[in-house]
Amino acid sequence: QKEVEQDPGPLSVPEGAIVSLNCTYSNSAFQYFMWYRQYSRKGPELLMYTYSSGNKEDGRFTAQVDKSSKYISLFIRDSQPSDSATYLCAMAFSAGGTSYGKLTFGQGTILTVHP
Amino acid sequence: AAGVIQSPRHLIKEKRETATLKCYPIPRHDTVYWYQQGPGQDPQFLISFYEKMQSDKGSIPDRFSAQQFSDYHSELNMSSLELGDSALYFCASSLSGGGNTIYFGEGSWLTVV
Repeated sequence: QKEVEQDPGPLSVPEGAIVSLNCTYSNSAFQYFMWYRQYSRKGPELLMYTYSSGNKEDGRFTAQVDKSSKYISLFIRDSQPSDSATYLCAMAFSAGGTSYGKLTFGQGTILTVHP
Repeated sequence: AAGVIQSPRHLIKEKRETATLKCYPIPRHDTVYWYQQGPGQDPQFLISFYEKMQSDKGSIPDRFSAQQFSDYHSELNMSSLELGDSALYFCASSLSGGGNTIYFGEGSWLTVV
C-alpha cells in the first residue's frame, strides 16, 4: 500500500463547478502538505501548502488538512477550463532542513473543466 | 524570474548506453532534488543535495549517480540504461530553510529504445 493515496479520477466538471480533490495518508510523521498542479509534459507547480490541521484559503483554492483522520483536500471554486490539469498532493516529513524537499506524491487526479 | 533549468529537454538512448542530465537551480538556492516520473505515474524522489553534499537518497538505482558542483548545478548520470528507465526526470530546487517553496524544472524526457 502506498503511503499516500489519491482519488484517481479522472474528474470532468462543467465550468463554474466546485471541485474537490482528496488524499489520504498512512504515515502520521508527515508534517507538511502541498498541492501541485501539473500540465501535460510540464513540471509540477505549487498551488498551496500548509503545516497544520484546518483550512487555508488562497483565491479560488482552499486546502484542508485533518491530521487526526490523515486526510487532505483541495477545493477549487468557480472552476475554469484553464484549471484542467493533473493535480498532485504531496507530503514531507519536515518543513525545514535538507529533508524538506523529499516529497511523497499521490498518484494524481486528472481534472477536465469543460466550458 | 529565473526558474530551474534542465537540459537536455529530450533525449533518446539505446539500451545499455549512458545518459547525463543537467540541472541549474534558481540562483541562491542551496538544495537540489531529482525526481523520476514514469508514464502515468507520480514523481518518485531519487536523491537530493545540500551545499554539494548528498542529503537524502530515495529509490535511485545503483546504476544512477548524481552530484552537485561548486556552482550548485547538478548532474544525474545514468548508466546501463534499461527500457524501464524511460521517464520524465525532474530537478527541483529550494532554499533549505523551512517553509520555502520547492520549484520544479520543466523536466528532461528520456526515452530508452
